[in-house]
Amino acid sequence: TAGITQAPTSQILAAGRSMTLRCTQDMRHNAMYWYRQDLGLGLRLIHYSNTAGTTGKGEVPDGYSVSRANTDDFPLTLASAVPSQTSVYFCASSDGRGQKAFFGQGTRLTVV
Amino acid sequence: DQQVKQNSPSLSVQEGRISILNCDYTNSMFDYFLWYKKYPAEGPTFLISISSIKDKNEDGRFTVFLNKSAKHLSLHIVPSQPGDSAVYFCAASGYSGGGADGLTFGKGTHLIIQP
Repeated sequence: TAGITQAPTSQILAAGRSMTLRCTQDMRHNAMYWYRQDLGLGLRLIHYSNTAGTTGKGEVPDGYSVSRANTDDFPLTLASAVPSQTSVYFCASSDGRGQKAFFGQGTRLTVV
Repeated sequence: DQQVKQNSPSLSVQEGRISILNCDYTNSMFDYFLWYKKYPAEGPTFLISISSIKDKNEDGRFTVFLNKSAKHLSLHIVPSQPGDSAVYFCAASGYSGGGADGLTFGKGTHLIIQP
């Protein structure tokens, strides 16, 4: 079973450029999330979506935007990348609050 | 202010012995707690969880204990095996007051099982 699929696996991006990180799930989960993992800081929530058509801001939303046009897809867009957005990005999904989340394999993004 | 704290960045345990990973939280609105395991270059994988209405949950070699009055939980792994070497994240779910949904994670503890 695929579960959560993220693309690309890794990317080097010039500062000021835009990029969309893709995330697709096949578990029909209502909730989806984007986290970033930085050394010594654990995983921090960027944006979330409790159901298709709705999104919300997490702990570190600045510089990122998301959309949830359907249940399966939850892309994360960086409109104008900055070096501080260099990180590993994880997409996750769950059946809702209080339920365990399943994670993708991550996207390693380097902004230079 | 960090709401989920894992104060030990790393822990080294001998194979076959018990590994105890600790986690503290500050938000009394958290009502569901989870442990995730993460290998390098992979996404976190769910390990075990506990609801706030319980004080213990066991799954094979893994047991999670919750002390609500102390706002403390711990993960016990016994016996520890080489494949348990990974980073372990404590996470909590609940209405954090900031309006955001999703899990709140600690910074992680790198568990190293020595042969």
